[in-house]
Amino acid sequence: QVQLVQSGAEVKKPGASVKVSCKASGYTFTDYYIHWVRQAPGQGPEYMGILYPTDGRTSYAQKFQGRVTMTRDTSTSTAYMELNSLRSEDTAIYYCAREVPEAYYFDFWGQGTLVAVSS
Amino acid sequence: ELVLTQSPGTLSLSPGDGATLSCRASQSVRSFSLVWYQQKPGQAPRLLIYGASSRATGIPDRFSGSGSGADFTLTISRLEPEDFAVYYCQQYGGSEYTFGQGTRLEI
Repeated sequence: QVQLVQSGAEVKKPGASVKVSCKASGYTFTDYYIHWVRQAPGQGPEYMGILYPTDGRTSYAQKFQGRVTMTRDTSTSTAYMELNSLRSEDTAIYYCAREVPEAYYFDFWGQGTLVAVSS
Repeated sequence: ELVLTQSPGTLSLSPGDGATLSCRASQSVRSFSLVWYQQKPGQAPRLLIYGASSRATGIPDRFSGSGSGADFTLTISRLEPEDFAVYYCQQYGGSEYTFGQGTRLEI
């Protein structure tokens, strides 16, 4: 069955970086796009960007450009999202999600990774 | 920047009732990109409806989506206890995805 399994919770200080992983199984990793979405406590989801596993191309939401990097390792079917210069407002649950190419919806989601930013 | 506004913010109903949730866009949205998700506490969002009106795999037929242009609706007939959750609409446009702020459906 399709699974996206994310890395564990992180606590970071302001100014630090965090790297979250998302390991895919149950399907061919390069056949689907991977997106990253975050959700602050009590808020709606917020879109961060897309990774194309086939060639590693990325496209980031304007809000995160210059601060986020999305990569992948096709040998382990794992996607990564690194966010730099963390601030308290970045405290959120970070999700990876899968998209059937050009479908414009996310059919499977990871379980989420809590990133807490606090001094 | 396109904004999705969901209403009401909270909807208080009982099992067996029908529910109508609204998602209004600040400009016209392509119907094929309008999506609804359900989210329960401590869980990731779950895909319900895509393309404004198509049910995702395994979604009961009491869930239905409709609408076009800038106004979309999620209808849940005969609420079951497991339907009480937060519902989000989402759209794709301008190379970015946008989510609404959610409607909380509570007993």
